[in-house]
Amino acid sequence: DVKVTQSSRYLVKRTGEKVFLECVQDMDHENMFWYRQDPGLGLRLIYFSYDVKMKEKGDIPEGYSVSREKKERFSLILESASTNQTSMYLCASSEGQGQVYGYTFGSGTRLTVV
Amino acid sequence: EDKVVQSPLSLVVHEGDTVTLNCSYEVTNFRSLLWYKQEKKAPTFLFMLTSSGIEKKSGRLSSILDKKELSSILNITATQTGDSAIYLCAVEASGAQKLVFGQGTRLTINP
Repeated sequence: DVKVTQSSRYLVKRTGEKVFLECVQDMDHENMFWYRQDPGLGLRLIYFSYDVKMKEKGDIPEGYSVSREKKERFSLILESASTNQTSMYLCASSEGQGQVYGYTFGSGTRLTVV
Repeated sequence: EDKVVQSPLSLVVHEGDTVTLNCSYEVTNFRSLLWYKQEKKAPTFLFMLTSSGIEKKSGRLSSILDKKELSSILNITATQTGDSAIYLCAVEASGAQKLVFGQGTRLTINP
């Protein structure tokens, strides 16, 4: 059974902390994505990656960075967490160079910044 | 800028009712439209609609793509409490390698 695993289901962090959200997929997918999900706003793309060591900004990259050192792992980094980054974070992956056949999602990390 | 709009944002019905969820889109070089169901955890794939497959059905769920109106509907007949979820619509543009999502519709089925 194919899987996208996010390391934490719930996370509480303090304002100003550096936060790492980890995502691992076991499907050998080229593409990986980080979204945040907020009520009434749907899923908004933060960053995505088509290959190891490459990254592209999504629609709301401010305050975030990413790392993809290995094909199966895509990390989202909040350099200095702020309360407006309290949200549900969803990781996804998909196969195919130049095409998207639909995503496989992780279960999400609900991050609260206090 | 590519855009996907879903309506209604929230819907509450009684078990056994039929519901229709709407999704409209503006995207350059449309390739496909996808529907997902999200309960407590990860969104799960329901349907993919393309120019060559504008109608899909699975049990009580069905979906139609209207390329002229740039929209899609998701129908659920004889609803059950297990259909309660957020339903997400997403669109893929050719060459974009990413999906653009709508706001989602929160569907609640009361017994």
